[in-house]
Parts: sequence; C-alpha cells; structure tokens
Amino acid sequence: AQSVTQLDSQVPVFEEAPVELRCNYSSSVSVYLFWYVQYPNQGLQLLLKYLSGSTLVKSINGFEAEFNKSQTSFHLRKPSVHISDTAEYFCAVSVAAAGNKLTFGGGTRVLVKP
Amino acid sequence: GAVVSQHPSRVICKSGTSVKIECRSLDFQATTMFWYRQFPKQSLMLMATSNEGSKATYEQGVEKDKFLINHASLTLSTLTVTSAHPEDSSFYICSATRTENTEAFFGQGTRLTVV
Repeated sequence: AQSVTQLDSQVPVFEEAPVELRCNYSSSVSVYLFWYVQYPNQGLQLLLKYLSGSTLVKSINGFEAEFNKSQTSFHLRKPSVHISDTAEYFCAVSVAAAGNKLTFGGGTRVLVKP
Repeated sequence: GAVVSQHPSRVICKSGTSVKIECRSLDFQATTMFWYRQFPKQSLMLMATSNEGSKATYEQGVEKDKFLINHASLTLSTLTVTSAHPEDSSFYICSATRTENTEAFFGQGTRLTVV
C-alpha cells in the first residue's frame, strides 16, 4: 500500500513571497507523483507530475517540484506567489501497475495575503 | 487536452431520495473511471473504481448497495446515491483515464446536499 503525507495543513504567505509545500510518500514499489490544485468548489486540476527522467519538473505558472527518491519526497515550490495562487494543493501518488488509482495526501491550504 | 465533464455541479435533495451523478469523458474513451468523495477540509478518498462493461470495485468501508456505480459505455459512468441521508452530503469527484496514459483527468465535482 502507499501513503502520502503533507506535513502542513495550512500555509499563510504574503504576496510575492516564496512558498514551499512539503510532500512525503511511502511505497514499496515505484510510483508516479503528482501535484493537483483545487480552487473553491471546483474539481482538481493537474499542476505538474513526475513520471520519469529529470527529477525537477515545472508547471507553466511558475511552480516546480523536485523528486527525491532517497528522501521519498516531492516538495512543491514557487519563488513568488500571487493572490490567485490561493487554493488547496494535493500531493498524490500512483502505482504504475495499478493504473491511475491515486492515493492523495491530506492537502495543504495556501492562503496568499496582500 | 482531455476533458471530463461532471453533472450536475450542485444538487440538493430530500432525505430518503436517490441522486444520480454523471461523469463523461468528452473527447476520449475512458476504460476506467474513479469516484472520490471529499469531506469538508479533508482529502479525497477513493470510493470505487469502475471499468467499462464490468462491475465496479469498491474500497473497503464503502457500501456498494448505497453507492451504485454504472459504467455502461466508454464515455459515461454514473454514481447513484440511494436513499440519501444528511451524512451523505459531500463533494463527489470523478476521474477518467485512458489505458495508454497514466494521467487521470478530473471532473469539476458535484456538491451534494441532503436535507
């Protein structure tokens, strides 16, 4: 079985400041890693993912995450946040053999303050 | 990109009635669809996995007779909450996948309120 831990349930941050959301996972087999963002009363949107290759993956809106196999982590970072980045962020893993069945972390609520 | 549409986005029903939620893949064939439930301020919990043409596989603790899932075509899966009660009020989200791609595409969710 897999498990995902997001250490911070809520992260307040000022506009234009950097933010890091921590994600650690546990699995006995290789996994794919994902970050999703959820705006209020909406479904999830894929932010970025790690499947293979370069351990640093980036999104089009300035987020990046680095896969660290030895630390079993996939932390999400953004060097300068905007008010519009206020949302819930979920880290998730998928075991390749099981298809796309996702195991989610508890989520981190990011509140960007002006 | 792949689009998954979920309908309705919001529904209010009376206790004891049944509610059907639809999940459609609009521009691709989804052999597998997943149904999740999200309680307020909590993460998504997988309820069941449905494969086209076969019975859904439910996660432990999910009542299959209460949450009926049908996946009759490659573009449509439905979740029916039978004899709904206030404790069934939640945000339900579906996702759909192609077999050749690892990415899951999510619908926009359905907020169910049982009064």
